[in-house]
Amino acid sequence: QVQLVESGGGVVQPGRSLRLSCVASGFTFSNYGIHWVRQAPGKGLEWVAVISYDGGDKYYADSVKGRFTISRDNSKNTLYLQMNSLRAEDTAVYYCAKSTGTHAFDYWGQGILVTVSS
Amino acid sequence: SYELTQPPSVSVSPGQTASITCSGDKLGDKYASWYQQKPGQSPVLVIYQDTKRPSEIPDRFSGSNSGNTATLTISGTQAMDEADYYCQAWDSNTYVFGAGTKVTVL
Repeated sequence: QVQLVESGGGVVQPGRSLRLSCVASGFTFSNYGIHWVRQAPGKGLEWVAVISYDGGDKYYADSVKGRFTISRDNSKNTLYLQMNSLRAEDTAVYYCAKSTGTHAFDYWGQGILVTVSS
Repeated sequence: SYELTQPPSVSVSPGQTASITCSGDKLGDKYASWYQQKPGQSPVLVIYQDTKRPSEIPDRFSGSNSGNTATLTISGTQAMDEADYYCQAWDSNTYVFGAGTKVTVL
C-alpha cells in the first residue's frame, strides 16, 4: 500500500532553517510528481510546492518563493523541503502528497509539525 | 491570484443530502477536486477530475463542475461524514484550495 512518511519537524527560531523529508513506498516514486501542503493550527490547507517526477520542474506558492526549496532523490524514494529564513507564519503541519497526474493529490502523509518561535 | 470560495459551514440531517459549493472564475474550465478531513487526520481525496471517485470512496459522494461553480454532493449523509471538506483546483502552475466547509450532521 502507498505510504508517505514525513520527518524533520520541530521547534525552530525565526530566521533559522529546517529540512523536512518524506519517504515514499508502495508505488513507483520516480513516476510521479510530489507536493508539500501545509496547514496552520486551526486553519485550512495551503499548497506549498510541487516537484515533477524527474525533478526537472519545480513550482512554489508566492508565500514561500525564494525561501523554500523542494527537491527529490529518486534513488532513495525521498522528497525534501529545505526551509530557510523561517517566519512565525510558517508554523504549520506539513504534509507530503502524491500527485494523481491530473492536478489532484491522491495520497497524503501523516504530517509533521513545524513550529517557528523564539 | 486565483481564489476558490466555499461556505464556512453546512448542516444536514442524517439520511438527507448535503451540497457543498466551490466558486471560482471559470472554474468549470478547470478540474476540481475535493478532500475530506476529520479532526487530527490527514486529508482524504473523495472526488477528482470533477466527478471521479477513488475506488475506496462510497458512491454517496458525487461531484459536478460547470460555469463558475463546482459542487460536492453527499447523498444519504451519515454521521461518519461529519468533517471539513476542501475544494481544490490548478491554475497557472499553482494549486489552490478553498478555505473549507465544515459539514455538521445534526
